[in-house]
Amino acid sequence: EAQVTQNPRYLITVTGKKLTVTCSQNMNHEYMSWYRQDPGLGLRQIYYSMNVEVTDKGDVPEGYKVSRKEKRNFPLILESPSPNQTSLYFCASTPGGSPNTEAFFGQGTRLTVV
Amino acid sequence: SQQGEEDPQALSIQEGENATMNCSYKTSINNLQWYRQNSGRGLVHLILIRSNEREKHSGRLRVTLDTSKKSSSLLITASRAADTASYFCATLSTDSWGKFQFGAGTQVVVTP
Repeated sequence: EAQVTQNPRYLITVTGKKLTVTCSQNMNHEYMSWYRQDPGLGLRQIYYSMNVEVTDKGDVPEGYKVSRKEKRNFPLILESPSPNQTSLYFCASTPGGSPNTEAFFGQGTRLTVV
Repeated sequence: SQQGEEDPQALSIQEGENATMNCSYKTSINNLQWYRQNSGRGLVHLILIRSNEREKHSGRLRVTLDTSKKSSSLLITASRAADTASYFCATLSTDSWGKFQFGAGTQVVVTP
């Protein structure tokens, strides 16, 4: 089944403890992105990647890191999480090659930083 | 900053009625897409309209795009209780095919 898989689905952590949220897609998509969703603000793009080893900042990159060593994986790293990073996070992938393609989303990771 | 902004923020209708929501954006776009989200779950793609298209249909969905006004509308006809969800517009920039920007969403409640 074609899908984007995020892990974990739920995570509670403490301020300053490094964490990684994994994202994997099995559709051979070139483009992958991370978003955070907060009430009243919709989804805001954190980082995106248009190919292996190519990443770019989205609208809210501060406090986050990403890497794209393989086409299928795009982990989101919080080196020193803070309470304002408590949010619902989504990973998405698109085929690339054309702008007129839909994005496929993972089921989300609900992160709480205390 | 948000590219797309939806209006209204919330909409409550009865089954069988039509639901209309609007989206405005700020910059040049490749296309505009509408997504649906059921209560905290992942987003599901509904429909894509290219910048050179003015109207598009898919089942009970009708989307319009007015690039001169930088606005789009999504119409759901003959709504059902199962249409209860949040609806988001997303624009893809002409600068980068990887850069999506979403609006804050319209929360639609359809009561039986």
